[in-house]
Amino acid sequence: SQQGEEDPQALSIQEGENATMNCSYKTSINNLQWYRQNSGRGLVHLILIRSNEREKHSGRLRVTLDTSKKSSSLLITASRAADTASYFCAHTGDQTGANNLFFGTGTRLTVIP
Amino acid sequence: DARVTQTPRHKVTEMGQEVTMRCQPILGHNTVFWYRQTMMQGLELLAYFRNRAPLDDSGMPKDRFSAEMPDATLATLKIQPSEPRDSAVYFCASGLPGQGNIQYFGAGTRLSVL
Repeated sequence: SQQGEEDPQALSIQEGENATMNCSYKTSINNLQWYRQNSGRGLVHLILIRSNEREKHSGRLRVTLDTSKKSSSLLITASRAADTASYFCAHTGDQTGANNLFFGTGTRLTVIP
Repeated sequence: DARVTQTPRHKVTEMGQEVTMRCQPILGHNTVFWYRQTMMQGLELLAYFRNRAPLDDSGMPKDRFSAEMPDATLATLKIQPSEPRDSAVYFCASGLPGQGNIQYFGAGTRLSVL
């Protein structure tokens, strides 16, 4: 299976703190993406990092990628109660021309007001 | 506001009945994906299409599930006959390969098979 794994499975923090989630994968990739899923809703794309990039920022989000370790991390700074959601990493597989993504198992983040 | 539209949002049915779920991808997107999400298995890819042609349906139980794209604006996922173990949230997503394979998800169909 090419499914990625995320760590931790669940994370609970106080509002204002930073949240870090990690993702590991098994194959070579073209890019890695992070998605958020609010309860009862579909997944929403947050940020994409290409295989030749090491770090990327978008607002309060910071993503790192280490292709030698086949791992990525998502940092949410100054968390807010509205950041409460599940976060998934997803990566392209190793098949040329394929369009599907392999999603991780997700990290459930709870931000306590 | 372009979005993926799924219908119905909720479906309750009895075991053995046929279930059809529909998805309208974002206009212009040529890849369409069907996923199933459960607490136990997480997010599973069932099938995906590119330019209306099925490229991968290896994640789909072939004996009871079928997925089609009658035209570029409609994708369907059918279960016949349905079983209680099919109870899950089914998501449709669409995308454009040139956008790094970013996928845009619908709100999902929550299926309960009694």
